[in-house]
Amino acid sequence: GAGVSQSPSNKVTEKGKDVELRCDPISGHTALYWYRQSLGQGLEFLIYFQGNSAPDKSGLPSDRFSAERTGGSVSTLTIQRTQQEDSAVYLCASSTPDRGNTEAFFGQGTRLTVV
Amino acid sequence: DAKTTQPNSMESNEEEPVHLPCNHSTISGTDYIHWYRQLPSQGPEYVIHGLTSNVNNRMASLAIAEDRKSSTLILHRATLRDAAVYYCILRGHRGSTLGRLYFGRGTQLTVWP
Repeated sequence: GAGVSQSPSNKVTEKGKDVELRCDPISGHTALYWYRQSLGQGLEFLIYFQGNSAPDKSGLPSDRFSAERTGGSVSTLTIQRTQQEDSAVYLCASSTPDRGNTEAFFGQGTRLTVV
Repeated sequence: DAKTTQPNSMESNEEEPVHLPCNHSTISGTDYIHWYRQLPSQGPEYVIHGLTSNVNNRMASLAIAEDRKSSTLILHRATLRDAAVYYCILRGHRGSTLGRLYFGRGTQLTVWP
């Protein structure tokens, strides 16, 4: 596709269940980011993948959160044993080989509601 | 980790210029200054970026202070569609900060008709 695609667009889950959020970056983009945005708040950095380098996981809030990127393309963010405070919009972004002067493209996000 | 400071909110009238300030006093020599904006219910979108020199594109202009410790995003003629949260971000060029994109709270711009 032309842009970053995220699925599902909306997800409602029960507390304690596991969820998987998917991100399809723009083809050829080696850098991929995950953020979350709680209602009325700014973007909170979660994790960053750059090519074959070890991912920067410094933003993951707890060990219930994990992410992987298969084949340098699609990424999946997994939240285990979801809690109500995990409710937020989860945003994915990608960019071309990263030298600090490249533009990041964002998807429309996945709105996660934990009930 | 945002490393930038912006006013929480600003207002403008339609058709008037808007100057959105950002302070980044701890900027390193290899950090690029990026601006993104987020329209309601959408993901952020890129606006402009620069390193040392002022930059212009079809969306906006970026004025960078000589010491690089501050910058200003300039919207030459605000429209109602420009109402959004504007984020000023420092993006690392190499080493431990390579590629990191840390968003602060941004500036909520309100445009009045």
